[in-house]
Amino acid sequence: AQTVTQSQPEMSVQEAETVTLSCTYDTSESNYYLFWYKQPPSRQMILVIRQEAYKQQNATENRFSVNFQKAAKSFSLKISDSQLGDTAMYFCAFMKWGSGAGSYQLTFGKGTKLSVIP
Amino acid sequence: DSGVTQTPKHLITATGQRVTLRCSPRSGDLSVYWYQQSLDQGLQFLIQYYNGEERAKGNILERFSAQQFPDLHSELNLSSLELGDSALYFCASSPSGVTSGFYETQYFGPGTRLLVL
Repeated sequence: AQTVTQSQPEMSVQEAETVTLSCTYDTSESNYYLFWYKQPPSRQMILVIRQEAYKQQNATENRFSVNFQKAAKSFSLKISDSQLGDTAMYFCAFMKWGSGAGSYQLTFGKGTKLSVIP
Repeated sequence: DSGVTQTPKHLITATGQRVTLRCSPRSGDLSVYWYQQSLDQGLQFLIQYYNGEERAKGNILERFSAQQFPDLHSELNLSSLELGDSALYFCASSPSGVTSGFYETQYFGPGTRLLVL
């Protein structure tokens, strides 16, 4: 079974600074997807960024970028120029196709609570 | 308020019993997802329905089943309940999910807290 570990339960960062959230995973698969989701108090689960394991290039989305180290099974999220609206719970997730038709295996980390301080 | 409603908010029951959790997605959303969140297991994806059909299955036990009705509301049925089934059960919805709903924002409901005694 896959496991996803987020070793930082809580983090804080000053507004406009940069913060990195860590995520490691364990799998024997070679093809899979990795995601970072943001969950603000409004209870949306917002897709922040995704990475396909077969792509060597690190994904970027505006102020969000990842450092994907496949051999080390590491998938960290860097948030640049932090904004107050970035305050949320961040979940790292691993997904691979299951053995049955239309079957996913989706595993989340336990989350990192990020607070952006004015 | 995400627009997703779940009932009941709390549920207390005994081992061996069966319960039904209900979810109404946001207006216009076609996909419904069910998740289980517990302290030790974290957030686990159970199952996804799209427009009435099962789209993706995650770590859902055989004792659990779900369905999505023509009006797009969904129910999660949990049977032969065990102490370890005590958890917070979330429903989420998203607009489509035809290829993979995990590529779009999901809107989570407030959850149903299940306690099995």
